[in-house]
Amino acid sequence: KAGVTQTPRYLIKTRGQQVTLSCSPISGHRSVSWYQQTPGQGLQFLFEYFSETQRNKGNFPGRFSGRQFSNSRSEMNVSTLELGDSALYLCASSLDYRGTDTQYFGPGTRLTVL
Amino acid sequence: GESVGLHLPTLSVQEGDNSIINCAYSNSASDYFIWYKQESGKGPQFIIDIRSNMDKRQGQRVTVLLNKTVKHLSLQIAATQPGDSAVYFCAEKSGFQKLVFGTGTRLLVSP
Repeated sequence: KAGVTQTPRYLIKTRGQQVTLSCSPISGHRSVSWYQQTPGQGLQFLFEYFSETQRNKGNFPGRFSGRQFSNSRSEMNVSTLELGDSALYLCASSLDYRGTDTQYFGPGTRLTVL
Repeated sequence: GESVGLHLPTLSVQEGDNSIINCAYSNSASDYFIWYKQESGKGPQFIIDIRSNMDKRQGQRVTVLLNKTVKHLSLQIAATQPGDSAVYFCAEKSGFQKLVFGTGTRLLVSP
């Protein structure tokens, strides 16, 4: 079974631009979570989607948004990019957001904001 | 947002030694715990998990111990190999709540 895939793997943008990242979960997984990872702040939770609905949300500004499609694929969008948005953005999928289903991570998208 | 610590603790061991990585979790209501391994430039990789109704679980060369009384989780790696060098994260979850990651620990294995 194929793992979680994320596209693109690397991205360079300038301040003020906006970006869309994509995540395809493991087949059969319906829950998708997004995380931001930086050397200074570690792994920070952005949001979690299940059945096209946001189920959990982290403490990020409204510039960060996401959505999930009926095939469970998910996208996250960051508008008006800031230098501090440079990070590794990780997507993880699980069967369900309820209970004890393991989250499996993709390789991440490395975003650099210049 | 929720975050892990700025300073990553490091555990240095010799190849062949047993490694023990510790994690203190925060929520007494957490009922599910996972250990992840993250190598440089890659996403976290699932190692082993344990539910709160257990206190020990074994995998291939790894053992997770859970002490709910003191909210402590540990990962034991037997016969540590250079390929085990990575950052290890524990994570906790309570019911429908999001997965919360603890402070990572860097494991360095010397040949």
